[in-house]
Amino acid sequence: GENVEQHPSTLSVQEGDSAVIKCTYSDSASNYFPWYKQELGKRPQLIIDIRSNVGEKKDQRIAVTLNKTAKHFSLHITETQPEDSAVYFCAASLMDAGNMLTFGGGTRLMVKP
Amino acid sequence: NAGVTQTPKFRVLKTGQSMTLLCAQDMNHEYMYWYRQDPGMGLRLIHYSVGEGTTAKGEVPDGYNVSRLKKQNFLLGLESAAPSQTSVYFCASTNYGQRSYEQYFGPGTRLTVT
Repeated sequence: GENVEQHPSTLSVQEGDSAVIKCTYSDSASNYFPWYKQELGKRPQLIIDIRSNVGEKKDQRIAVTLNKTAKHFSLHITETQPEDSAVYFCAASLMDAGNMLTFGGGTRLMVKP
Repeated sequence: NAGVTQTPKFRVLKTGQSMTLLCAQDMNHEYMYWYRQDPGMGLRLIHYSVGEGTTAKGEVPDGYNVSRLKKQNFLLGLESAAPSQTSVYFCASTNYGQRSYEQYFGPGTRLTVT
């Protein structure tokens, strides 16, 4: 089955700096890669996703890059703000086979004012 | 439009007791999922359903059963609860074949087994 590894497990940045979180996956058939943000005690919420036919996607301060050959994808947050502090999860799935998500272990991002 | 809802929000069980968690969605989604999240970890898939009347095993199905008798509801059952099943349970749903493959999550059920 799919295995997703995520690094780092914790990340502390100053407000205004950039943050990068990296994930690797094992199943080359996976073709959907979402990123979720989870605040303490809340449900995971999708912040951005990318499909395997695209190498990069951007939405305001958030971007995701995908390298299919190396089987890794990354989340980039620019101009970080204190409200970006949360746990971020990457995931991978095969869209047309149930879209079952395999999650990474999570990254706790702390943005210091 | 409530999205995905879960009942109950919290529950404490004793070892050996049984219970059913209810997930309901009002978005007419075909696919529904049950995940568990242990402290400091990512979510792991327990069971899923690709349509009314269908269910399938996920990554960690042992000790759980599910049913999808109606399209909008997905039930997760624990027949004989064990302390190892202490966790937060999240239900999710998504549509198939649409432009978005986003899974929408419910608010979670925090279960403690003593």
